[in-house]
Amino acid sequence: QVQLQESGPGLVKPSQTLSLTCTVSGGSIISGARYWTWIRQRPGKGLEWIAFIYYNGNTYYNPSLESRLTVSVAPSKNQFSLRLSSVTAADTAVYFCARTGTDNYFDSWGQGTLVTVSS
Amino acid sequence: DIVMTQSPDSLTVSLGERATINCKSSQTVFYSSNNKNFLAWYQQKAGQSPKLLIYWASTRESGVPDRFSGSGSGTDFTLTISSLQAEDVAVYYCQQYFSSPYTFGQGTKLEIK
Repeated sequence: QVQLQESGPGLVKPSQTLSLTCTVSGGSIISGARYWTWIRQRPGKGLEWIAFIYYNGNTYYNPSLESRLTVSVAPSKNQFSLRLSSVTAADTAVYFCARTGTDNYFDSWGQGTLVTVSS
Repeated sequence: DIVMTQSPDSLTVSLGERATINCKSSQTVFYSSNNKNFLAWYQQKAGQSPKLLIYWASTRESGVPDRFSGSGSGTDFTLTISSLQAEDVAVYYCQQYFSSPYTFGQGTKLEIK
């Protein structure tokens, strides 16, 4: 059973860069035709897909965030990462990492990490 | 973008009764070449991450109780809980994975009467 765990700062200042890492355990990030995913949930709001990355580094971004996004993968560490630049209060959210199933639904999720953007 | 709209926003059902949640997409999520609907359902309990219940509109994820079922095609979908249990209190989301960006419904909060 694959497990995912997000890590990173819980507080980021406005205009700075939010950086998070997801560590995968119980399975290899390079095994199977799965995409590794970032999703966020803003306070009191629904879920928003941010990006996918494949183990070879191919990325697929939500166009609404693409200009500020960088997602990368480190297969040797079984990790993938998110960087979101020029953050504002609107980026305050719980950020989840997840894995896709046999298509682009999400069958395994991390517990989520709250990132607050505030000075 | 495909907009997913769920109804109702909240629902109160008695234990043992049926709960029905609807999800409508602004465009079809049915792909005729493989005869599949690119629609998933998730359950999110308070303080937890979402859990996959249903994919391909009606395929139950392994380990999900059979009181949960999904139906529908094209633009209109339903999640049904046949006999509500106390542990089913949660927010339920539909999600389309037909086209990017992959979008979710706003959620339906299910409570016990």
